[in-house]
Amino acid sequence: KQEVTQIPAALSVPEGENLVLNCSFTDSAIYNLQWFRQDPGKGLTSLLLIQSSQREQTSGRLNASLDKSSGRSTLYIAASQPGDSATYLCAPFSGGYNKLIFGAGTRLAVHP
Amino acid sequence: DARVTQTPRHKVTEMGQEVTMRCQPILGHNTVFWYRQTMMQGLELLAYFRNRAPLDDSGMPKDRFSAEMPDATLATLKIQPSEPRDSAVYFCASGTPGTSGGPRNEQFFGPGTRLTVL
Repeated sequence: KQEVTQIPAALSVPEGENLVLNCSFTDSAIYNLQWFRQDPGKGLTSLLLIQSSQREQTSGRLNASLDKSSGRSTLYIAASQPGDSATYLCAPFSGGYNKLIFGAGTRLAVHP
Repeated sequence: DARVTQTPRHKVTEMGQEVTMRCQPILGHNTVFWYRQTMMQGLELLAYFRNRAPLDDSGMPKDRFSAEMPDATLATLKIQPSEPRDSAVYFCASGTPGTSGGPRNEQFFGPGTRLTVL
């Protein structure tokens, strides 16, 4: 069974810090992994999709890395801003289950 | 800009009533997904469609839930009869299929329908 763990569960930092959010998954047979952001009471916004053949994907201040063999992905946020405050979810696409399996998320608060 | 839309955004109903949730996928996307999010279970896939045909609804309680795509611009999720344990946020997402036709490509989520069953 694919299990996805995100660490830390919650994080509170001052503005300007560089952050690393961690995601681990037990079944390395994945096709890709997607990182999402969810604001309170809102839907999910896709941030980055990283294919299993890729090691990294970048979008602006965000960088996602993937180490498929060890079952890990990290989301790096550079120069954090209060507007980055949200819950961040990782979801590997598991071939055996043919669907995204979501972690519980990391709740991020960036204060001015 | 292209977005997935869902209606209604909020629904409060009494136990036993029928609930219908609607979703309009992004134009050109031919895979549609229904998810449910609760504090206890997190995000769970209920069903997904490709080219309007249901490919997987194994996550859905069959006795009371049904999902359809009457046309390429509308997907519906119905609960009949509703129960308090169905209270959750229901998300629709759409995407384009992977090279094998499965749901492997990037998924784009709608804002959700917050359902409360009293």
